[in-house]
Amino acid sequence: SQELEQSPQSLIVQEGKNLTINCTSSKTLYGLYWYKQKYGEGLIFLMMLQKGGEEKSHEKITAKLDEKKQQSSLHITASQPSHAGIYLCGADPKGGNTGKLIFGQGTTLQVKP
Amino acid sequence: EPEVTQTPSHQVTQMGQEVILRCVPISNHLYFYWYRQILGQKVEFLVSFYNNEISEKSEIFDDQFSVERPDGSNFTLKIRSTKLEDSAMYFCASSRVIAYGYTFGSGTRLTVV
Repeated sequence: SQELEQSPQSLIVQEGKNLTINCTSSKTLYGLYWYKQKYGEGLIFLMMLQKGGEEKSHEKITAKLDEKKQQSSLHITASQPSHAGIYLCGADPKGGNTGKLIFGQGTTLQVKP
Repeated sequence: EPEVTQTPSHQVTQMGQEVILRCVPISNHLYFYWYRQILGQKVEFLVSFYNNEISEKSEIFDDQFSVERPDGSNFTLKIRSTKLEDSAMYFCASSRVIAYGYTFGSGTRLTVV
């Protein structure tokens, strides 16, 4: 079965610094979702990447999908305290059309003011 | 922005009791899902529902679980006889078209004592 591994597991950065979170799949990625979760709360949709080489940005967050490496990265530029939370990557093991997502274990981000 | 609404936000129940978790998906969405997250663990898929029937379910979703869309707006998850290990955060999600991503609710924290 497919597994998603995120690195690092946790991250503490100074406000204003850039950071990158990686999500590596054990099998081919047909699409990749990034969500943000505040502790004990719901998942907030950030971005969805469907094609190899695709890159999307929203405000100061950029995500890329490298299908060959079976990997996606999430990059935050000039981090702010509002970026703090748990970042989750998710993928559909059956190619993107079942709605059955598997998730990584999450990366906890703290941003120090 | 449209939201997926879940009630209650917290539920405490005695082992062996039945619980019903309620969700109101976004009104024009067609696909509905339940996920759960045991404290400290990954978010796990339970079941997907489309056109008034289950389209996919995980090994976790055994005979103790059932889902229903009783009235065209609510989507419920019933656990017939709760066990201690059912304690988790349960998330409802919906999507209009699977390829466009999933919107998650804020979750119901279920504690079985």
